[in-house]
Amino acid sequence: AQKVTQAQTEISVVEKEDVTLDCVYETRDTTYYLFWYKQPPSGELVFLIRRNSFDEQNEISGRYSWNFQKSTSSFNFTITASQVVDSAVYFCALSRSGGYQKVTFGIGTKLQVIP
Amino acid sequence: DAGVTQSPTHLIKTRGQHVTLRCSPISGHKSVSWYQQVLGQGPQFIFQYYEKEERGRGNFPDRFSARQFPNYSSELNVNALLLGDSALYLCASSKKDNEQFFGPGTRLTVL
Repeated sequence: AQKVTQAQTEISVVEKEDVTLDCVYETRDTTYYLFWYKQPPSGELVFLIRRNSFDEQNEISGRYSWNFQKSTSSFNFTITASQVVDSAVYFCALSRSGGYQKVTFGIGTKLQVIP
Repeated sequence: DAGVTQSPTHLIKTRGQHVTLRCSPISGHKSVSWYQQVLGQGPQFIFQYYEKEERGRGNFPDRFSARQFPNYSSELNVNALLLGDSALYLCASSKKDNEQFFGPGTRLTVL
């Protein structure tokens, strides 16, 4: 069985602060994908990143960075210099690689960036 | 290119009724998945279709069914609606085994 845990249900930060969203996962698969999605108030899930379990390199994309540590089954997401537009619910997710692709989501972390 | 489209955007039904939700995938994507997102929760997997065949089913009752058409669009049907079926229903399309791109969802309210 697959499971994704996002222990932080809500986080508030002041604009320009850095914030890290935690994600811990469980899977028996040896190969898998990890994802982060953003869900603004409009409701549409916006794809942010996919990480293959083979690749433990950290990734940076603008103000976003991801820290994948297979040893601790964690895939944390950091926003640097947060902005009001970053306010949304962020979901960490997990799927098997190969075969059909059921995606298991965490409960989400609601991020509020205060101006 | 157009993204995933879903219709309708909002829907209000009463208990016991039937509902059909529709999804058109991104051009070139042959796989469609359906998710239910109850308020305050993450999306829960309902079905996945690839090339018109069901590839996976989540833990949902038989009242939920789906199908995929030759043009890869899909319908999700829910019979005998319950209050607990009120949720945002999300459709996602993907090329086989690649990342899923989600549509804007259909918000279903059951009264």
